[in-house]
Amino acid sequence: GDSVTQMEGPVTLSEEAFLTINCTYTATGYPSLFWYVQYPGEGLQLLLKATKADDKGSNKGFEATYRKETTSFHLEKGSVQVSDSAVYFCALSDLWGVWGAQKLVFGQGTRLTINP
Amino acid sequence: GAGVSQSPSNKVTEKGKDVELRCDPISGHTALYWYRQSLGQGLEFLIYFQGNSAPDKSGLPSDRFSAERTGGSVSTLTIQRTQQEDSAVYLCASTYSEGSYNEQFFGPGTRLTVL
Repeated sequence: GDSVTQMEGPVTLSEEAFLTINCTYTATGYPSLFWYVQYPGEGLQLLLKATKADDKGSNKGFEATYRKETTSFHLEKGSVQVSDSAVYFCALSDLWGVWGAQKLVFGQGTRLTINP
Repeated sequence: GAGVSQSPSNKVTEKGKDVELRCDPISGHTALYWYRQSLGQGLEFLIYFQGNSAPDKSGLPSDRFSAERTGGSVSTLTIQRTQQEDSAVYLCASTYSEGSYNEQFFGPGTRLTVL
């Protein structure tokens, strides 16, 4: 079945450092790819998405490019802030069934801590 | 507008008891998903509803787990004879409809602890 493997944490960086969180996937179809973020005490929120190969998703200074040839969707940010401290989940969704359901398959999550 | 709400936010129960977890999706969202977030298994899909129908229950871990949705809105996840391995955060998400990807909006979750 479909699966997502992401860099396990925890990851600790200093403010203004460059961030990369690796994510690779296995899927039989042509999935959409996502990064979700869970801030302390809050629910999961969609950070960015890409629905086809070579698409770049971006939001809040974060970027990720859908690379079909390497089956990857690495998350990057050029200069992180303390407020970026959170748990980040890579996920994929493949439309399936006559209902077109979109169940998400998640990676294990990466806890990111940014120190001032 | 109101987001997805879940109740209770925390539930502590004794092994062997039944529990009910409730999800109120965003108004107008026809698709509803339940996920479970646990230390050992990460985030995993449990069940999907389209309207009141549940076309896919493949993620439910055992027959102790069941879910229903009434009026195409509120959903209840029931766990019978709870076990310690059921301890997790249960998340509900809703979205507009099937078809091309629509963002799933997640509720805050119910943290279930089975003693």
